[in-house]
Amino acid sequence: QSVLTQPPSVSAAPGQKVTISCSGSNSKILNNYVSWYQHLPGTAPKVLIYDNDQRPSGIPDRFSGSKSGTSATLGITGLQTGDEADYYCGTWDSSLNSWVFGGGTKVTVL
Amino acid sequence: EVQLVESGGALVQPGGSLRLSCAASGFTFSSYTIHWVRQAPGKGLEWVSCISSSSSVIYYADSVKGRFTISRDNAKNSLYLQMNSLRAEDTAVYYCARDYSTFYFFDYWGQGTLVTVSS
Repeated sequence: QSVLTQPPSVSAAPGQKVTISCSGSNSKILNNYVSWYQHLPGTAPKVLIYDNDQRPSGIPDRFSGSKSGTSATLGITGLQTGDEADYYCGTWDSSLNSWVFGGGTKVTVL
Repeated sequence: EVQLVESGGALVQPGGSLRLSCAASGFTFSSYTIHWVRQAPGKGLEWVSCISSSSSVIYYADSVKGRFTISRDNAKNSLYLQMNSLRAEDTAVYYCARDYSTFYFFDYWGQGTLVTVSS
């Protein structure tokens, strides 16, 4: 059981918006910056968001991140078939000296 | 171009050992903390271990502590994971990933190498 909780799946039609939540199990778990990763089967995961809300160069602004209290959120607008993938939040847990990932959310484009 | 290439994955019997390698290129390897992350079949990403640039700081997930050993050779631009006392639940694709700045986020990942623990 992950210390970061994500919904197992979300879905929407092409062009629509989805949001993925990432909730911490305790008040300290999200004291550090949250990052988000996209993972397509058989490929290397890719960072979409770091520092809670920053996009690396090359990541389209359809992807956005936010954080409030012990929860973080990834938003994807203008959903495309190529966005079908698993998405993970992650952060460093300084109390455990370990990196923690959420359980992952599968995005399906209907 | 930053590249991380894992190797060493194989089929191994329970209780056996295996050594994974991660060859880095395209950046100053000795300046970065590097992590191992794995994904078991049908499961999510699981952090395994990390090692700081000078090897002075090393951490492990509880699930592998005492069985796995992470190391690096900065002269060879290489990261290693020595896995002993392997269990069926260690079956996974193992990725190495570069930390942008210690415990910050993973900016580059390798393609992964498959470890299967089975009799």
